[in-house]
Amino acid sequence: GAVVSQHPSWVICKSGTSVKIECRSLDFQATTMFWYRQFPKQSLMLMATSNEGSKATYEQGVEKDKFLINHASLTLSTLTVTSAHPEDSSFYICSASHRSRPEETPETQYFGPGTRLLVL
Amino acid sequence: AQKVTQAQTEISVVEKEDVTLDCVYETRDTTYYLFWYKQPPSGELVFLIRRNSFDEQNEISGRYSWNFQKSTSSFNFTITASQVVDSAVYFCALSDSWGKLQFGAGTQVVVTP
Repeated sequence: GAVVSQHPSWVICKSGTSVKIECRSLDFQATTMFWYRQFPKQSLMLMATSNEGSKATYEQGVEKDKFLINHASLTLSTLTVTSAHPEDSSFYICSASHRSRPEETPETQYFGPGTRLLVL
Repeated sequence: AQKVTQAQTEISVVEKEDVTLDCVYETRDTTYYLFWYKQPPSGELVFLIRRNSFDEQNEISGRYSWNFQKSTSSFNFTITASQVVDSAVYFCALSDSWGKLQFGAGTQVVVTP
């Protein structure tokens, strides 16, 4: 249980184009999903918290107009990198919160396999 | 502010050796939650364990064991009889009551045959 998928796993695009990454919880509903960015040999950096049906909460320093997040349903959140540039090349990982027991608070984050973005 | 320190950048061991990963945390919260995740070369983070601040029981799961010591603000992770498949980056993370994770820098474990 608690499987999270991401699509695509790899994307190469030209500078100036927009890229959409999907994050899906496959066997549970997730009220909250998170988007992270990870540079090589570094830790995960939280970009934003996405709640179903409401606007995402962005971390300090993350441009909300650059990284558009939509959490349209309890199983799907999308991250759109608008007008991508080479410096946006990175590994993007999403997570979805899931409660393995009814009394578990807060929920545990389960991660997707990640999306490697390369902007040429 | 919350902080997680994983002082070991990389640990190399030979198969069947034990390996202990250190994790020290800082928080002003009285209630908090600690996690360990494994990130193999494929990139996906795999959830290993969760521990609540009010539960100091140590835990063993197969070859994995965790030692939570509130007195020293540590949540260390030991892999017994390591295997090549244990080669990965291991992250310790700290969460507040809202579920937002603060990750440590990670420790790369390299297990050679």
